[in-house]
Amino acid sequence: IAGITQAPTSQILAAGRRMTLRCTQDMRHNAMYWYRQDLGLGLRLIHYSNTAGTTGKGEVPDGYSVSRANTDDFPLTLASAVPSQTSVYFCASSDPGLYTEAFFGQGTRLTVV
Amino acid sequence: AQSVTQLDSHVSVSEGTPVLLRCNYSSSYSPSLFWYVQHPNKGLQLLLKYTSAATLVKGINGFEAEFKKSETSFHLTKPSAHMSDAAEYFCVVSDKRNFNKFYFGSGTKLNVKP
Repeated sequence: IAGITQAPTSQILAAGRRMTLRCTQDMRHNAMYWYRQDLGLGLRLIHYSNTAGTTGKGEVPDGYSVSRANTDDFPLTLASAVPSQTSVYFCASSDPGLYTEAFFGQGTRLTVV
Repeated sequence: AQSVTQLDSHVSVSEGTPVLLRCNYSSSYSPSLFWYVQHPNKGLQLLLKYTSAATLVKGINGFEAEFKKSETSFHLTKPSAHMSDAAEYFCVVSDKRNFNKFYFGSGTKLNVKP
């Protein structure tokens, strides 16, 4: 089934450790996104990429980095995790176009202790 | 700049009664608007989207939303709630002129009582 695959589904991470959340899509969408979901705040954009080779900062980029080496993959890296990065992380993709929606992965639940 | 305000953080209805989830948006351009649903511990599923073809948009599971430009609103409705509608609902606006970003409201949790 076409879609977005995120890994891992959940992780407990010690503070100060480095972690990469993986995201792969097979829909050949140009745009990809990383969001974090926190209670009462909805989803907030961390980083985005409009096409392979380009990335941009969203609303809450501090402490995170991304890369987009090809169309399908968009990993999110926490260089040195802190407890405030405890959250549920969603990867999404979309095609360009005025009314095209975003497609979401199932999420990664990350707990930083 | 784009932004979305969901006016109610929690809505509680009885099964079989109407549902109204309110959303107001701010956009400096003709917006693309969406409603997504998230069931507990699940990902996000598209309910419906505004495409400018009609102001009343029909979605899945009997949901509808009406785009009102004069009120900058995109409220979600359903004539008769079902227990399976209990979930969190997000109103989303996208800005295709600004790198294709999607902006989320803070969400409305819908509780359906038997």
